[in-house]
Amino acid sequence: QQQVKQSPQSLIVQKGGISIINCAYENTAFDYFPWYQQFPGKGPALLIAIRPDVSEKKEGRFTISFNKSAKQFSLHIMDSQPGDSATYFCAASNSWGKLQFGAGTQVVVTP
Amino acid sequence: GAVVSQHPSWVICKSGTSVKIECRSLDFQATTMFWYRQFPKQSLMLMATSNEGSKATYEQGVEKDKFLINHASLTLSTLTVTSAHPEDSSFYICSASSDGSGNTIYFGEGSWLTVV
Repeated sequence: QQQVKQSPQSLIVQKGGISIINCAYENTAFDYFPWYQQFPGKGPALLIAIRPDVSEKKEGRFTISFNKSAKQFSLHIMDSQPGDSATYFCAASNSWGKLQFGAGTQVVVTP
Repeated sequence: GAVVSQHPSWVICKSGTSVKIECRSLDFQATTMFWYRQFPKQSLMLMATSNEGSKATYEQGVEKDKFLINHASLTLSTLTVTSAHPEDSSFYICSASSDGSGNTIYFGEGSWLTVV
């Protein structure tokens, strides 16, 4: 049973557009919500992460929105670039370092 | 930034043999590391939690006798796939936290295992 549900499975966006990926969770004990970017054949790289005490966090072109009451969080990639084409995973943790991953979203940014 | 290194990056082994994958934290100490496996176009599935100086904690459905984990020091954890079979072919990835609180979790580059 997947503890973190992620959508969409894939996404195509034009260069300069906004990519939006959504995740939902059930376990209210989760207290750390990171997003990872993964290129083919490589390990995941941490993009940005948020704790439940804030509703939004922005780092450069990447923004996490967090809705604690709805148990949902999302990643927004602003001004999407072809180099952003990758698979993105949301994750959640309720104990130090032990992550439960979403299914992943393959993002393709067209020129 | 913090770096987690895995070795080898890829390995091919024959069915029935054992293969060891190393995970090192290069510039920080990690009392806990985690091992994941990832099949092509799928998500990462947590296999086990590796604890320095004690036995690993395995996730449900993961055979502890098949996937041996040793965390001999604060910077090294190893995963040994014993009596490997073709269905064990996968991408194995480790992770560790650099600040002791779980705020920042870094992943290694992964190790491709192909069992022939």
